[in-house]
Amino acid sequence: QQQVKQSPQSLIVQKGGISIINCAYENTAFDYFPWYQQFPGKGPALLIAIRPDVSEKKEGRFTISFNKSAKQFSLHIMDSQPGDSATYFCAASMKASSASKIIFGSGTRLSIRP
Amino acid sequence: GAVVSQHPSWVICKSGTSVKIECRSLDFQATTMFWYRQFPKQSLMLMATSNEGSKATYEQGVEKDKFLINHASLTLSTLTVTSAHPEDSSFYICSAVLGTTKQYFGPGTRLTVT
Repeated sequence: QQQVKQSPQSLIVQKGGISIINCAYENTAFDYFPWYQQFPGKGPALLIAIRPDVSEKKEGRFTISFNKSAKQFSLHIMDSQPGDSATYFCAASMKASSASKIIFGSGTRLSIRP
Repeated sequence: GAVVSQHPSWVICKSGTSVKIECRSLDFQATTMFWYRQFPKQSLMLMATSNEGSKATYEQGVEKDKFLINHASLTLSTLTVTSAHPEDSSFYICSAVLGTTKQYFGPGTRLTVT
């Protein structure tokens, strides 16, 4: 019940296209859903996050869509660029949990073809 | 944005020796820090929660006597891998919590045990 399932495992998108990564969760107590971007040999960086009282959040080319009833959320990267090539992790957290412990998805390796 | 540093970024040690990794929040105070390990092409696995002024909380399966954590101040947590063995070789990443939910990650430390 603590798992966050992420798909696809890897994704190749042409430059300028839309990259879509999906995640699903079971625990309805989760109330914070961040996305992280990680480049090889670096730590993850917070990209964008959403709370379940909002169905969509947009920051620049990055959009999170959130479906509370389906317990699913997704990351959309518009106008994908080669610099977006990285591994993306969705995650979930409970504000009420001990010290905001984050549960990570398995990751998606995104490659943007020029 | 909030900055978290780790030192060293890369360390090689001989089997049986101990190695200490530092995690610092540079521009904010963090009551809580987390330690993760990440194997190649895998997700982050939470090892322990580090709380300033109290004992660390370890995840199931993580040996507390092998991975010693000390949260000496609101800006510094250390992870000591004792009697390291080749199977401890991994990428160790810390994070620091800003506020109640936002985690900011360090750049990681690559440990190689020969």
